[in-house]
Amino acid sequence: SQKIEQNSEALNIQEGKTATLTCNYTNYSPAYLQWYRQDPGRGPVFLLLIRENEKEKRKERLKVTFDTTLKQSLFHITASQPADSATYLCALSGGSYIPTFGRGTSLIVHP
Amino acid sequence: DAGITQSPRHKVTETGTPVTLRCHQTENHRYMYWYRQDPGHGLRLIHYSYGVKDTDKGEVSDGYSVSRSKTEDFLLTLESATSSQTSVYFCAISDYSGRAETDTQYFGPGTRLTVL
Repeated sequence: SQKIEQNSEALNIQEGKTATLTCNYTNYSPAYLQWYRQDPGRGPVFLLLIRENEKEKRKERLKVTFDTTLKQSLFHITASQPADSATYLCALSGGSYIPTFGRGTSLIVHP
Repeated sequence: DAGITQSPRHKVTETGTPVTLRCHQTENHRYMYWYRQDPGHGLRLIHYSYGVKDTDKGEVSDGYSVSRSKTEDFLLTLESATSSQTSVYFCAISDYSGRAETDTQYFGPGTRLTVL
């Protein structure tokens, strides 16, 4: 069965450092992958989408990579700030309108 | 929260009672979804709709039913609530048109449901 893995342990980093979150998947050939941010008590908010034929995508301080050989996506936040503290979810889609979400990884940026 | 409201936002109910959660959108998006989110499980799809009166089951549909009589409203009903249905419920919408960039999901603020 399809499986998406995100590190269940929280990632703690110091302000100003680069945060790197990982999304691994098995038994899946996604056409594209999305990353969402979720703050406590709120719904997820879309951040970035990367297609299977794209290696890297950037948006301001965010960068996403997608390696279909390794079946892995990395999500980077450069110059992290305490306001970046949240849970980050990856979601895979095979090209339909029904993405599959990972469980998310909590990021805590310490001042 | 992108023109999506959920009601109620919080509800406490007793085992065996029926419960209906409402999702209302003002975006005129075709697709609507109900998810539940639990610690250790992440977001799990309950039911989704691809048009008025067109719905289908997700991975955790047992004990839930849905209805969509208008584009803007998607109702989730727990016919006889159980304690295992205590969760946070999110509604989402999408305007998917075949292109990856349109497959973004927009989520409502969530409903926290407690079944005693």
